[in-house]
Amino acid sequence: GESVGLHLPTLSVQEGDNSIINCAYSNSASDYFIWYKQESGKGPQFIIDIRSNMDKRQGQRVTVLLNKTVKHLSLQIAATQPGDSAVYFCAPVEGGTSYGKLTFGQGTILTVHP
Amino acid sequence: NAGVMQNPRHLVRRRGQEARLRCSPMKGHSHVYWYRQLPEEGLKFMVYLQKENIIDESGMPKERFSAEFPKEGPSILRIQQVVRGDSAAYFCASSPREGSTEAFFGQGTRLTVV
Repeated sequence: GESVGLHLPTLSVQEGDNSIINCAYSNSASDYFIWYKQESGKGPQFIIDIRSNMDKRQGQRVTVLLNKTVKHLSLQIAATQPGDSAVYFCAPVEGGTSYGKLTFGQGTILTVHP
Repeated sequence: NAGVMQNPRHLVRRRGQEARLRCSPMKGHSHVYWYRQLPEEGLKFMVYLQKENIIDESGMPKERFSAEFPKEGPSILRIQQVVRGDSAAYFCASSPREGSTEAFFGQGTRLTVV
């Protein structure tokens, strides 16, 4: 039968390729952005964060780019591995709010093929 | 492993019954956040608690849902008279203090209402 439901954006890459996951936000009052990774059946796991006064931040194999002009941020994963397969969420944090009160985006499913 | 502990991992309830979800934050953490995740959706903030206080319950449904974080013991999310629409994954996160920029999530409780 036909299934009806939400369809998350998906990204399918080969192991070793670089991945770019995009996120658009609407609240210009966001002063902090966090990327989370959620593997199947698990809770979200912190990846990296960036403040609104920055346009780039690098971590281990990951880079986040922030473009406040168009309210867009991206997560770049270098040399993607099968263990990176998960749903990735960006979470803008509005200034003055608790950093634990997060507004998660829709999410992007990343599938890495060996 | 001193991570955020949630139990039970899976909970099945019949319509009209009560569901109690427990969350033990990481050691030393006094801030707890509850989120709900419907299938193929991002997490939605429900409530933010500190020990013995509800700080922000703007995401809680007005009826049937309540949360507490007593001085001793875990935080409890209570759903009375459950309905099928309550079926979801419920996640708890904790952070050590108000200004902490990282919230650690538990593995979640998957509630199924039959």
